[in-house]
This record gives sequence, structure tokens and C-alpha cells, in this order.
Amino acid sequence: DGGITQSPKYLFRKEGQNVTLSCEQNLNHDAMYWYRQDPGQGLRLIYYSQIVNDFQKGDIAEGYSVSREKKESFPLTVTSAQKNPTAFYLCATHGSSQETQYFGPGTRLLVL
Amino acid sequence: SQQGEEDPQALSIQEGENATMNCSYKTSINNLQWYRQNSGRGLVHLILIRSNEREKHSGRLRVTLDTSKKSSSLLITASRAADTASYFCATDARMDSSYKLIFGSGTRLLVRP
Repeated sequence: DGGITQSPKYLFRKEGQNVTLSCEQNLNHDAMYWYRQDPGQGLRLIYYSQIVNDFQKGDIAEGYSVSREKKESFPLTVTSAQKNPTAFYLCATHGSSQETQYFGPGTRLLVL
Repeated sequence: SQQGEEDPQALSIQEGENATMNCSYKTSINNLQWYRQNSGRGLVHLILIRSNEREKHSGRLRVTLDTSKKSSSLLITASRAADTASYFCATDARMDSSYKLIFGSGTRLLVRP
């Protein structure tokens, strides 16, 4: 999992509640990514950021929001507009001279 | 959108046997990568093969790439129980200055002791 931390490991959300997933990295990488993984499925891109104060929507951005105020941090908020948030969320980074991505350990989000 | 599709979706073999999984993709690529995911964990990069390469080795891993067929295969030789995991291929996609990977749906490998 390298120098990428995600917290919490498990997160429970109540109906209508916004929750924020943390992703922190000490790899000095510019690019950061958020993926959603449903059981037995591949990864789908939610949002990504190539540089501080800039980010782009991925394939399934609806119901999610992000910020990139610091190079080290890329938090993901799952809003109440996301009607089916139960999934495994993965954060990843890569450096400007690299092509491979480094992944955090993931956060599992469950709905109460 | 998913670019890569793995085949088979699930594979069960005996320890010591070889495991082969395949990946097909749709558009032109600069490189194709394989990642491994243990249950409930993040992905770990295994190997990268560039579009001008046909075969690459890393330890017990052998990757091939056929750009004319838009397909790749990952061979794990002499499998071990510890190889039990899901394996994903990923292709690069560049738009303007952005770089991202598009992952396939994965092959779940079970190696029986």
C-alpha cells in the first residue's frame, strides 16, 4: 500500500447523510484518483486530480464531490444524492514520470 | 466506461499448475498493465508492457501483448496458494494533459493447496 493511507477502514452512513473519506499520501505525487469497486467488479473512476486546486469528473461522478487543497490530500465526499453508496472505495496516486498507480488500502462504505 | 475485459471471470487451479488469464481492450494504447488485488485490499502493480513490446517476464509472471488483436495475457507459472487473488488489466487513456487508467472487470484466481 506504500505511502498512501485511507481512513476510516469502515464507514457507516445513515440515510440523507454526507460522509467524507480521507486519502493522504507522502509520495510527493501530483496525480490522485478515486475509484469505486462493487462486489466482484472492476474499478470505476469517480474523480481525479492532476494537480493541486484542479480536479476532473470521472465516469461516475454523480453524487460525489472532491477537493484538492493540498498535494498530500484528496478527500472524497459521498453526498446524500448518491442513492447506492455501498461499495469499496480506493484512492490511488501516480507520479508525473510514472505510468503505474499506487493504491491505498481502501474504505468500505456501508449504509445503515 | 470499461476498456479491458478479462477472461475467464473466475479460475480455480491446483497448486503447481499454471494460470492463464486474458484481457481484451477496445482502443489504441501506449501501455497495458496488470494489477493484483487480495480480498478487501488495495491493488498492487505487477507488470507493465508497452505497445511496442510483445512479451515481458517478471519472476513467475509472463505477459504477452498482441496489439493487432487488442489483447493481452498474463501467465502465472508454478502457482502457489498465495497467488489466490483477483487480477486486473488496465490500459492507459490520455485526454489533453490528463492521464488515467481504465480497468477491466478482473479474473478471480483460486489456487487450491
